Amino acid sequence: AQSVTQLGSHVSVSEGALVLLRCNYSSSVPPYLFWYVQYPNQGLQLLLKYTSAATLVKGINGFEAEFKKSETSFHLTKPSAHMSDAAEYFCAVSPTGANSKLTFGKGITLSVRP
Amino acid sequence: NAGVTQTPKFQVLKTGQSMTLQCAQDMNHNSMYWYRQDPGMGLRLIYYSASEGTTDKGEVPNGYNVSRLNKREFSLRLESAAPSQTSVYFCASIGDFTGELFFGEGSRLTVL
Repeated sequence: AQSVTQLGSHVSVSEGALVLLRCNYSSSVPPYLFWYVQYPNQGLQLLLKYTSAATLVKGINGFEAEFKKSETSFHLTKPSAHMSDAAEYFCAVSPTGANSKLTFGKGITLSVRP
Repeated sequence: NAGVTQTPKFQVLKTGQSMTLQCAQDMNHNSMYWYRQDPGMGLRLIYYSASEGTTDKGEVPNGYNVSRLNKREFSLRLESAAPSQTSVYFCASIGDFTGELFFGEGSRLTVL
């Protein structure tokens, strides 16, 4: 069985500040991990994914995430928040990464203050 | 570059009415999914289809039926809508080798 925990439902940062969105997972096998972003009234789109090639993964729009096996974590960061980063962010885990069901966290809403 | 297309985008139903949400993908993916999204609940899997001709229940299948009409199309049917089915529904397909989900823009359903 696999699961994802995203603590808290809302994070607010100032424009230019560090963004840190936390994700912890549980999986019985080495996981594939994903971060998706959802802008208002849109579907989800992939930000980045971890597939065991490298522990630090870079995604679109300046986001990156680091896989830490010892902490079972895959936190999402961005050094400097932009107003356009305001959205809902979902962490997801898959046991195989191909043709299998993703399990999503409950999502975190990121607000960016001017 | 259509990707995943869902129709309708908005629908209002009365309790007990039926309707079908349509989904089509043009990426030649084998696997397709229906999720529902509710505030504070994340995305929950309703049904999925690993390949043409096969369907399986997900986390919250009660009250829904699906049809994998062909490789491109995967429809979701509500036979007798209930207010608890008020939600935003997303169809998705998954890259066969990447594991990346591609989502439609969603269908917002309100059941009165």
